[in-house]
Amino acid sequence: DARVTQTPRHKVTEMGQEVTMRCQPILGHNTVFWYRQTMMQGLELLAYFRNRAPLDDSGMPKDRFSAEMPDATLATLKIQPSEPRDSAVYFCASGFTTGSSGNTIYFGEGSWLTVV
Amino acid sequence: EDKVVQSPLSLVVHEGDTVTLNCSYEVTNFRSLLWYKQEKKAPTFLFMLTSSGIEKKSGRLSSILDKKELFSILNITATQTGDSAIYLCAVGKFSGAGSYQLTFGKGTKLSVIP
Repeated sequence: DARVTQTPRHKVTEMGQEVTMRCQPILGHNTVFWYRQTMMQGLELLAYFRNRAPLDDSGMPKDRFSAEMPDATLATLKIQPSEPRDSAVYFCASGFTTGSSGNTIYFGEGSWLTVV
Repeated sequence: EDKVVQSPLSLVVHEGDTVTLNCSYEVTNFRSLLWYKQEKKAPTFLFMLTSSGIEKKSGRLSSILDKKELFSILNITATQTGDSAIYLCAVGKFSGAGSYQLTFGKGTKLSVIP
C-alpha cells in the first residue's frame, strides 16, 4: 500500500533550535509539496518540487525556512532557528503531474511541531 | 489572488441527516477541484472533479462541479458519527513553468451526533 512517509511524527523543541522534517514521496510520483496547517490559516503551501526542481517557495519565510530534495526519494524541510509561531502540523504530499495534467495529491500523516 | 471559500465553517447534525457542503473558488488556470476528508491525521482523498455537471459518487457521498458558477458541493446522505471530520476543498491550477499546485479552503468542520 503506497503512502507518503514523514518523520518525525511529533517533535517538541525549544525556540532557537534547528528542526528538520523529512518526507519520502510515493514511488513514481514526480511532484512533492510541503504544506503547513494551523487552526487560523488552514493549509498553506510552503514549497513544492517537480522532478526534484524547486518550482515555487514563495509561501515560505526565506530567512529561516529551507526546502530541498536531494534525491527522488527524499524531501526535507528545515527551520533554523525555530520560533514558537512555527508550531503547526507540516504535511508533505506527492502526486504525478505533467505540463498539461494534474492529478490527485496524496498526503503524509504530518509532522506535528511544537516550539516552546 | 486565488481564493477557495468553503461554507459553512462548521456544522452540527444528527445521525441520519443529509448535509451539503459548499466550495466556491476564484482561480486562474483552473484544472481540477478536489475534496478531502481530514479526521485526526492526514487529509484523505475523496473526489477529483474536472468537468461540470458530472456527479461523482462513492457510497453516501457525492459531489458535483459547476465551472460556470465556480463552485462545487459535497453531499453526504444518511450521516453517521464516522462522518465527523473536517472536509477540505482544494482547487488545482497550473502556474508558471507547467507546474500544478493545490490551493485549499479552510475547511468545513462537520460534527455528527447520535
